[in-house]
Amino acid sequence: DAMVIQNPRYQVTQFGKPVTLSCSQTLNHNVMYWYQQKSSQAPKLLFHYYDKDFNNEADTPDNFQSRRPNTSFCFLDIRSPGLGDAAMYLCATSRDSTGALRPQYFGPGTRLLVL
Amino acid sequence: EDKVVQSPLSLVVHEGDTVTLNCSYEVTNFRSLLWYKQEKKAPTFLFMLTSSGIEKKSGRLSSILDKKELFSILNITATQTGDSAIYLCAVASRGNDMRFGAGTRLTVKP
Repeated sequence: DAMVIQNPRYQVTQFGKPVTLSCSQTLNHNVMYWYQQKSSQAPKLLFHYYDKDFNNEADTPDNFQSRRPNTSFCFLDIRSPGLGDAAMYLCATSRDSTGALRPQYFGPGTRLLVL
Repeated sequence: EDKVVQSPLSLVVHEGDTVTLNCSYEVTNFRSLLWYKQEKKAPTFLFMLTSSGIEKKSGRLSSILDKKELFSILNITATQTGDSAIYLCAVASRGNDMRFGAGTRLTVKP
């Protein structure tokens, strides 16, 4: 089945130790998104790639970076995680085309714990 | 500033009840409004609405958009305990930006 896969599902890191979360998709969607969702809050968009074009949200901290080496994979790098970065990180994909918007399909998420 | 407001934030009903969840929005360059259901994992897609007045239905769930008054409702009839979840409203605008509301936590008691 076509899907959005996130690894790992749970990640524990230490304060200040860089961590990378990965997302892959078999849907062949051209848009990939990273969201941060803290407990009892709505998902917050961090950034997205439209094909190879990177689009950062204005309030996303510099501590968060992303890479998309090819259509199928997208990575979220947290350079120096702080305690406030503990959250669920959701990857989503969509197939967008000019003049239309397709729904986003989410992966299962990676829950990040910062010690 | 773009915003998406959902109400109520929390709702407790009994099986068989009908519920209506609300989502109002203020965004520039509106493209579509989406409803998602989130249980313990990632949100799952329910509906996408782009045109006013056209009801979308899926089983006991239905939704409609009013682009003049800038709101949408999600109806669930004959609720079941499996409907217990957080229902998220999201509005897509300005390219691929999507802003989520805070969600409505629905609890359906047996």
